[in-house]
Amino acid sequence: DAKTTQPNSMESNEEEPVHLPCNHSTISGTDYIHWYRQLPSQGPEYVIHGLTSNVNNRMASLAIAEDRKSSTLILHRATLRDAAVYYCILRANTGNQFYFGTGTSLTVIP
Amino acid sequence: NAGVTQTPKFQVLKTGQSMTLQCAQDMNHNSMYWYRQDPGMGLRLIYYSASEGTTDKGEVPNGYNVSRLNKREFSLRLESAAPSQTSVYFCASTWAAGASSGNTIYFGEGSWLTVV
Repeated sequence: DAKTTQPNSMESNEEEPVHLPCNHSTISGTDYIHWYRQLPSQGPEYVIHGLTSNVNNRMASLAIAEDRKSSTLILHRATLRDAAVYYCILRANTGNQFYFGTGTSLTVIP
Repeated sequence: NAGVTQTPKFQVLKTGQSMTLQCAQDMNHNSMYWYRQDPGMGLRLIYYSASEGTTDKGEVPNGYNVSRLNKREFSLRLESAAPSQTSVYFCASTWAAGASSGNTIYFGEGSWLTVV
């Protein structure tokens, strides 16, 4: 199963943009790229997902490399409430397993 | 909608005791999952059920059993609890793979289990 690699931790100043990278060099052509985040003492929650094209929603933007071997989650203006662990995962078009890895712990500095 | 509901939220067990974690979803999802999360770690897949009537092992199935009771419910059983099973357990659900591969995964709020 395709796996992802993320930095263990990142810091950002409040109200500045944050770029969270993810490498997925073994991605297959039909794998969707999903991002979730986990606030302290809560279950993970959906942030955004995409297949090939860049995606925007009210929470964030997802930039996908042309070769799809990496992606970047972009938080346009970090707030203190964005401090969480961010997980990048791949959802295969076949099979039903989801592997989360250890994610990136984002600290937002006031 | 309640989404994904897990019970109990907190439980303390003695080594060797058994217990069942219950999970129910009201979104008519095909697939359901059980994960565990140890302190400071990511989520590890214990078991999953792609559809009603099927279950499969994930990364860390030893010491656990599961039952997909019906489309809504997926339970996780610890037959003889061990301190190494102290963890936070999350249930999740989603549509099955295939045409719906873009669909998102919904998680419960977690069950905090301590084995002493």
